[in-house]
Amino acid sequence: EAGVTQFPSHSVIEKGQTVTLRCDPISGHDNLYWYRRVMGKEIKFLLHFVKESKQDESGMPNNRFLAERTGGTYSTLKVQPAELEDSGVYFCASSRQGLGTEAFFGQGTRLTVV
Amino acid sequence: AQTVTQSQPEMSVQEAETVTLSCTYDTSESDYYLFWYKQPPSRQMILVIRQEAYKQQNATENRFSVNFQKAAKSFSLKISDSQLGDAAMYFCAGAIGGGTSYGKLTFGQGTILTVHP
Repeated sequence: EAGVTQFPSHSVIEKGQTVTLRCDPISGHDNLYWYRRVMGKEIKFLLHFVKESKQDESGMPNNRFLAERTGGTYSTLKVQPAELEDSGVYFCASSRQGLGTEAFFGQGTRLTVV
Repeated sequence: AQTVTQSQPEMSVQEAETVTLSCTYDTSESDYYLFWYKQPPSRQMILVIRQEAYKQQNATENRFSVNFQKAAKSFSLKISDSQLGDAAMYFCAGAIGGGTSYGKLTFGQGTILTVHP
């Protein structure tokens, strides 16, 4: 069974540009989560999809961030326009159920905004 | 709301020895889960162990065990017979039940564990 995969693994962009991160969850996992770790700080929740619906997007920092999950399969997280403070590692995780079940993580996308 | 705190940025242990990583949390919920995740260098995070808040018995997974002190809101991880492959960043995390927040993890700051041969 393939794990959670994220693309790209690294991205370096200039301030003001647009970047789109992709996450392919494990097949059959309805729950998909995005998290972010900014340098030196803890991993923070961004949002949670159940299938194609946004269940909780309370962690999205501002309207420069747009997440989608078309057809309840893969998800994209777009940052437009990127700012320096958006730099960090973006993690995606998926789980079959919600509370209490194991969340499987991708390797993360390291985003650097210069 | 929920907070998770790991007060040990770094820990080290000799191979075959035992080490304990500390974690405290705070929540007003009665239904919650606690987790320890491990992230080896340049690899993805994997679940080490999980504890349901309503269970009094401490969870155990082979060489990994937890000391869950509900009243003190403490959730430490003990690694016995440490191996070189245990070297990683360890994250303590919690998830509360109910509402729209189910399954959402709140993480601690992480503890880097070094294992010396």
